Order: sequence, then structure tokens, then C-alpha cells
Amino acid sequence: ETGVTQSPTHLIKTRGQQVTLRCSSQSGHNTVSWYQQALGQGPQFIFQYYREEENGRGNFPPRFSGLQFPNYSSELNVNALELDDSALYLCASSLREPDTQYFGPGTRLTVL
Amino acid sequence: QQQVKQSPQSLIVQKGGIPIINCAYENTAFDYFPWYQQFPGKGPALLIAIRPDVSEKKEGRFTISFNKSAKQFSLHIMDSQPGDSATYFCAATPNNAGNMLTFGGGTRLMVKP
Repeated sequence: ETGVTQSPTHLIKTRGQQVTLRCSSQSGHNTVSWYQQALGQGPQFIFQYYREEENGRGNFPPRFSGLQFPNYSSELNVNALELDDSALYLCASSLREPDTQYFGPGTRLTVL
Repeated sequence: QQQVKQSPQSLIVQKGGIPIINCAYENTAFDYFPWYQQFPGKGPALLIAIRPDVSEKKEGRFTISFNKSAKQFSLHIMDSQPGDSATYFCAATPNNAGNMLTFGGGTRLMVKP
């Protein structure tokens, strides 16, 4: 059973640019959630995908968007980057029901 | 607004001590309460979770106590070790919200040798 993987590990962008982060879910999991974790804070829910459709969204603007692919891997896209987007972005996979979420190691995004 | 309030923000105990981390929630629809442990540079890892139909759950050295009427739950770490030094997060989610977790702000625990 493979774990959740994310790429890249680190990323540096400038304000106004666009970024794509990638996540491979744990084998057998059909639900992927994305979280933003600012330094020294708890993760905040961005959105969740289930069977390739957005299944729920937190309090994030539309410039945060995502995709889930048939193999349940996922992408997080952020357009028009702002300085406050600097954070650790976490991907978590799970089955559909409220149950254990397995988190990846995260992608550290720095916006200059 | 869905919120989970966690305290304390930081905690220092001696090896063998029993650190206690507390969380309080407002949304009565929450019915799954996991605790996560996070080391620097890593993603959170599930430690233990509880549902509101029980008041206590133990797994190894970790115990969750749950008070449904007070809308509070806590994590106790028995016989704490320096390797337990990490940041701990409580979280909660409603049954009809898949796995959309609302996290507390985190507690940075240091266990001194």
C-alpha cells in the first residue's frame, strides 16, 4: 500500500504568477482533500474531490481551483498568487465516509 | 461558523509526564474527532480518533476523553517521551461532510529528557 505523495516539495513563485501542485492519493482511496497550512497554524480546508467532482469547498476564493483524475490523483491550481498564499499545501486522501485521512508531506509554496 | 478552539498553544513537560491538550467545538453536527501529530517538515499523521457515542478511547499511550454535553474533548499522552515532541492538532468533521476537517490551532509539545 503506497502512501500519499506530493510534488514538488518546495516552490518559489512571484506575486501574480500561477502555480500547480500535484498529489497522488493512497491506493484504493477515492477522495482527495486539499488544505492550506500557514506557518504556526492549523490546516485550513480548501476543497475536496470525490470521483472527479468538487464535493465541498472551504472559504477560499475562486482563484483556487482543482482537478481529480480517473486514477484519483489530483491537482491544486492557484492563479494570481498573493503574498499571503505562502504556506504549506497539504493533500489528504481517504474513502468517502468520514474516516481516516492520510496526509502527504506537503508542498511548501513561497510567494515573493 | 465552524470552529475548533485548542489550548494550550504550547506545552513543556518532563519525560514521563502526562501532557493534556484540550479542544472545544461549537458545531453540534460534528461527529468525528481525530487527533493528528505533525513533525517539522512533515504532513499531519493520525494518532487516534473518537466518535461521540463513547466518552473515552485509548490506543497505546494516547487517550481521548470526550464530553458531549460540554462540547469538549482532550488528548492525554501517558508516559511522555522526548520523541513525542511535536505539534498536535485536534480536528472535527460532520458526518454528512465527508472528510472536510476543521482543525484547531495546534499545540506545540516539548518533552524534556
